Amino acid sequence: KQEVTQIPAALSVPEGENLVLNCSFTDSAIYNLQWFRQDPGKGLTSLLLIQSSQREQTSGRLNASLDKSSGRSTLYIAASQPGDSATYLCAVTESGGSNYKLTFGKGTLLTVNP
Amino acid sequence: DAGVIQSPRHEVTEMGQEVTLRCKPISGHNSLFWYRQTMMRGLELLIYFNNNVPIDDSGMPEDRFSAKMPNASFSTLKIQPSEPRDSAVYFCASSFRRLETQYFGPGTRLLVL
Repeated sequence: KQEVTQIPAALSVPEGENLVLNCSFTDSAIYNLQWFRQDPGKGLTSLLLIQSSQREQTSGRLNASLDKSSGRSTLYIAASQPGDSATYLCAVTESGGSNYKLTFGKGTLLTVNP
Repeated sequence: DAGVIQSPRHEVTEMGQEVTLRCKPISGHNSLFWYRQTMMRGLELLIYFNNNVPIDDSGMPEDRFSAKMPNASFSTLKIQPSEPRDSAVYFCASSFRRLETQYFGPGTRLLVL
């Protein structure tokens, strides 16, 4: 059974810092990996999606990497801003017949202090 | 498009009562997902519909839970009877096709007393 772990569970940084969020998964047979953002009381917003054949994806100040063989992904946020404060969730999509199924980590709660 | 719409946004009910959660997916999306989020277990997939047909309901915790999708623009998740351990945030998500990005609704916060 796929398990997704995110470290740290919470992170507090001053505005302007670069930071890295970590995600690991136990079964490397994945179809893709996604990073989501969740704001309090709201749904999830997809930030980046990396296909299993890719190594990284970038969007603005965000860069996500994927090392499928080691079961790891990182989300790099450059020049953090208070508006980046949210919970960040990592999710993997299984390969094969269940390739609709997202398995989520429990998230990292990020606070960026002005 | 208004995105995925869920109602109600908040629900407080007493143990034993029936609860019905509603979801309107994004128009044109043919895949619909119901998730439950708790502090202990995180986000878990309850059921997946493709073209209005339930494909995978292995995440539905008990027979007290049921879900329907009578047409492409509406789905319900029903809990009968509800129990305090059902308290959670329930999300609905939809995607254009099964392998594409899932768009989440704002969720329904359910509290069963």
